[in-house]
Amino acid sequence: DIQMTQSPSSVSASVGDRVTITCRSSQGIGTWLVWYQQKPGKAPKLLMYSASNLQGGVPSRFSGSGSGTDFTLTITSLQPEDFATYYCQQANTFPPTFGPGTKVDIK
Amino acid sequence: QLQLVESGGGVVRPGRSLRLSCAASGFVFRTYTMHWVRQAPGKGLEWLAFISDDSAKKYTADSVKGRFTISRDNSKNTLFLQMDTLKPEDTAVYYCARGGVTMLLPPLDIWGQGTVVTVSS
Repeated sequence: DIQMTQSPSSVSASVGDRVTITCRSSQGIGTWLVWYQQKPGKAPKLLMYSASNLQGGVPSRFSGSGSGTDFTLTITSLQPEDFATYYCQQANTFPPTFGPGTKVDIK
Repeated sequence: QLQLVESGGGVVRPGRSLRLSCAASGFVFRTYTMHWVRQAPGKGLEWLAFISDDSAKKYTADSVKGRFTISRDNSKNTLFLQMDTLKPEDTAVYYCARGGVTMLLPPLDIWGQGTVVTVSS
């Protein structure tokens, strides 16, 4: 199975900050990488697919990049509604494994 | 309105069975692949199972293979997860999620609200 790691595991930030989350896969997955946002008590929400394609309705302050084994999710100008946990998921092969998550909380 | 609604969760003793359902509405269910994902209390997301639109292809995570079975009834717009020989470590929120039309793998763009399964004696 492909193993996914994320760093940092948590980050404290303020409204207006730029936040970058890194996701790494144990083997190359091209750009088959998906990002989700999850708020407490809620289902995950699709943010981005194919590493850099924004899902419809997701604000443009979210962006993604990377290919191969290294990927990033960047949130420019963090908003109050962005405080959540972010998960990456590889969509290259079964099983489509998730990263452990990165919690973005208020500084 | 695109919607997935899970049901069937509850408290069950170890070794017993439970069947989860996921009712779909607002889209042509029979044309989409579907997945189950779970989340143990305070933990991350764990992908569990996939089924193709016509049920011809199924994949299941090793952690539940042989105990969990995914199925669907396109005539009733419903996805199922049959869970047998349940263990305490199966305690989690279980989500159904919509995959793509032609793609077997994620992204998962529509998620249900989740149903809670607690395995305890």
